[in-house]
Parts: sequence; structure tokens; C-alpha cells
Amino acid sequence: QVTLRESGPALVKPTQTLTLTCSFSGFSLSNVGMCVGWVRQPPGKALEWLALIDWEDDTYYSTSLKTRLTISKDPSKDQVVLTMTNMGPVDTGTYYCARIPSAGNFFDYWGQGTLVTVSS
Amino acid sequence: QSVLTQPPSLSAAPGQKVTISCSGRNSNIGNNHVSWYQGLPGTAPKLLIYDNSNRPSGIPDRISGSKSGTSATLDITGLQTGDEGDYYCAAWDSSLTGVVFGGGTKLTVL
Repeated sequence: QVTLRESGPALVKPTQTLTLTCSFSGFSLSNVGMCVGWVRQPPGKALEWLALIDWEDDTYYSTSLKTRLTISKDPSKDQVVLTMTNMGPVDTGTYYCARIPSAGNFFDYWGQGTLVTVSS
Repeated sequence: QSVLTQPPSLSAAPGQKVTISCSGRNSNIGNNHVSWYQGLPGTAPKLLIYDNSNRPSGIPDRISGSKSGTSATLDITGLQTGDEGDYYCAAWDSSLTGVVFGGGTKLTVL
């Protein structure tokens, strides 16, 4: 059974760095073609893709946010970590991690999401 | 502004059919597969269609997808009140080297 779960602070202050962890089970990120990504959704707004890491440790970032994002994985813990620097109120929203299966280019399993509020 | 263009909202009566469009360009829809997701309040997005027209197990066949050129569509027939929610298309963009989503379509079942 594939599961993903996001964890991290619910509240961050402006200019701080956000660190989110995606803990997953039921699959291996070492399998060829497998990827894990992050997607966020500001309140009342659309989904926005943020970043992706694949089985070979190749990383991909949203063009508009790439200077602020870092995605990494810890295969020993089955975790993927996303950091976002210089947080601002516009970064408030629900952050999801999701899996892209081998040989796929779609998100088939999603975490339940974690709400992050940026406020002083 | 989203890379993929969807109508902001659509409405239809129960039992009717609705078609949600998603327009892109060669770098995304034109040369890559499209997926569709349903977003309901308070829940994670749910995969409805992958690789343009394939349904994951558990998705009823009254939900279907297709692609032509740089556009894709999601059809839902026999609308039910439980179909109300937000629908998003997505695709890989080869120029941006990343995933792009549509702006979402809010479906209301009257």
C-alpha cells in the first residue's frame, strides 16, 4: 500500500526558511523511473507544481521558484525534503507531496497535505 | 496565470454531460501526456485520468479523457452531485522542464 505523509511547521514567519518532509511507504524511490514531487495550493487558488526528484537524484524546479527551492531525498529513511527560503505571505497554502510512478508522468498517490501559514 | 488554460467554471444538471477543456502548446500537451485531477474541499487531489485517456482502477467509465493536438478534454457523463468540485489538467512541459497545471475548473452540479 502506497502512502505519503507531509510534515513540517504550520506557521512560519516572513523571511524564514520552510522545511517540509515527505515520508513515504509502499514503494522505493530507488526504482527506475520513480519520482516524488511537491505541489502547493494557496487558499482558493489553483494547484501549483514546485519541485520533483527522481530515482537518479535528478531534480527539477518550478521556473518561477527555483532560486528559493531545494529538494532532496534520504533513501535510508524513505523521505523527501523540500526547503523554501525567504517565505512570504503569498506562500501560505496547503503543500502536498505526491508520487510519480515508474514510466509515468502523472501523480498517482498524494499525501493528505499540510497547511503552512506565513505570518508574523 | 497558469500555463494550461481551463474555463474557470462550468455548471450542469444532474444526469447531464459536461466537457472540461484544457488548452496548452506543443511543449506541453502537444508532445506529452495529459493527466486530470479532482480536488474536493479538504482533501488531496485525486487522479482521474492519466496518459490522456486512461482511468486508474476505481474511476468509473462515465469519466473519460481525450487529447487532440495541443488541447485535451475531460468528459463526465451522468453527472452526480458528488462530482461537484475543482478539476485540474496537468502535463509535463519540455521547454520549462517541469510539470504545469491548468488554472482549474470549478464544476457545479445544479
